[in-house]
Amino acid sequence: SQKIEQNSEALNIQEGKTATLTCNYTNYSPAYLQWYRQDPGRGPVFLLLIRENEKEKRKERLKVTFDTTLKQSLFHITASQPADSATYLCALDTGGNTPLVFGKGTRLSVIA
Amino acid sequence: GAVVSQHPSWVICKSGTSVKIECRSLDFQATTMFWYRQFPKQSLMLMATSNEGSKATYEQGVEKDKFLINHASLTLSTLTVTSAHPEDSSFYICSARRGQEPQHFGDGTRLSIL
Repeated sequence: SQKIEQNSEALNIQEGKTATLTCNYTNYSPAYLQWYRQDPGRGPVFLLLIRENEKEKRKERLKVTFDTTLKQSLFHITASQPADSATYLCALDTGGNTPLVFGKGTRLSVIA
Repeated sequence: GAVVSQHPSWVICKSGTSVKIECRSLDFQATTMFWYRQFPKQSLMLMATSNEGSKATYEQGVEKDKFLINHASLTLSTLTVTSAHPEDSSFYICSARRGQEPQHFGDGTRLSIL
């Protein structure tokens, strides 16, 4: 069966450290993988998209990797700040007009 | 850019009432809009996909007569929860997409049925 898993429900890290979140999937062949941030009571906000033929993408303090052999994406936040505390969702896009498939999210808490 | 507005953000109503939620793409034309439902500490559950001018495609287990979706234009989709009951209380979120670009989400509607 098709599955998308974010390995930690919750992750606590110290301010200034690098947060690493993992997204694994089985029985999908995504054309793209996307990461979103969701704050409580708000809709998800798009952060980064990485294509199947890309290994790595960066945007300011964010970095995403995509390994189609391992069927895994890693999402890094460097020099983390308390304002980075939120739930981060990974989502698979198999292309065409199909909807995104979301993981359950990882709730990140950055402690000052 | 890529702003999606959802209205209302919060609604409380009596059991048996029908509630309409609007989703608008403000600065782009959305070829496809999606409606999700989210329970506390859970991920987004897709309810339906709608393309402008055609009938919505509902996910398995979602009652189309209960959750009416209208996608009348490239910038507006509405979800009507008909004869709402307490079990319909949830956080409803829409998203809009142009072609193969990323989905952009509204801020959600918290629906509470008394």
